[in-house]
Amino acid sequence: DVKVTQSSRYLVKRTGEKVFLECVQDMDHENMFWYRQDPGLGLRLIYFSYDVKMKEKGDIPEGYSVSREKKERFSLILESASTNQTSMYLCASSPSRGKFKTQYFGPGTRLLVL
Amino acid sequence: GQNIDQPTEMTATEGAIVQINCTYQTSGFNGLFWYQQHAGEAPTFLSYNVLDGLEEKGRFSSFLSRSKGYSYLLLKELQMKDSASYLCAVRPNSGNTPLVFGKGTRLSVIA
Repeated sequence: DVKVTQSSRYLVKRTGEKVFLECVQDMDHENMFWYRQDPGLGLRLIYFSYDVKMKEKGDIPEGYSVSREKKERFSLILESASTNQTSMYLCASSPSRGKFKTQYFGPGTRLLVL
Repeated sequence: GQNIDQPTEMTATEGAIVQINCTYQTSGFNGLFWYQQHAGEAPTFLSYNVLDGLEEKGRFSSFLSRSKGYSYLLLKELQMKDSASYLCAVRPNSGNTPLVFGKGTRLSVIA
């Protein structure tokens, strides 16, 4: 079974803090993704990565950065958290080969910025 | 641009059949996915269509018409545990391009 884990299920931070969200997958997937999910807006792609040390901007990268130093780990960084970054953050991974190349999601981190 | 439309909410009765529609306009097409997401949990993969027609998997079926840019998810013999959001997603091309997701349809199953 594919397993995608995220470092925290719930997180409370203060405005201006630097926040690290960690994601680890155990299926040797090449591709990893970070989304945020808000009511009425659906899933929005923040950043994704096709390989180690590689990153691509998604639809809403402003205020975020990412790091992929190892294949299994993809980190999302909020350089200076703001209240409008309060959201559910979902990490996903997918293989580069195969019929489906389905994205598998982690359990999510619900972040509250005060 | 990329656009995926699905109804925001639906309600259906336990034991009944419900059809959730999805229409898409994307820059290309290389497969359509349906995911189920229970409240507070992560989306989980339900089905995949890349050719026209119906794919059946137990109580769930998914249909695709590429010429019409249209798909539906059919849920039979509804159970209370089927209350969830259902997300339609399209892969725009054959590479590693991320999926484009619709905003989801929240299905409530009532007794």
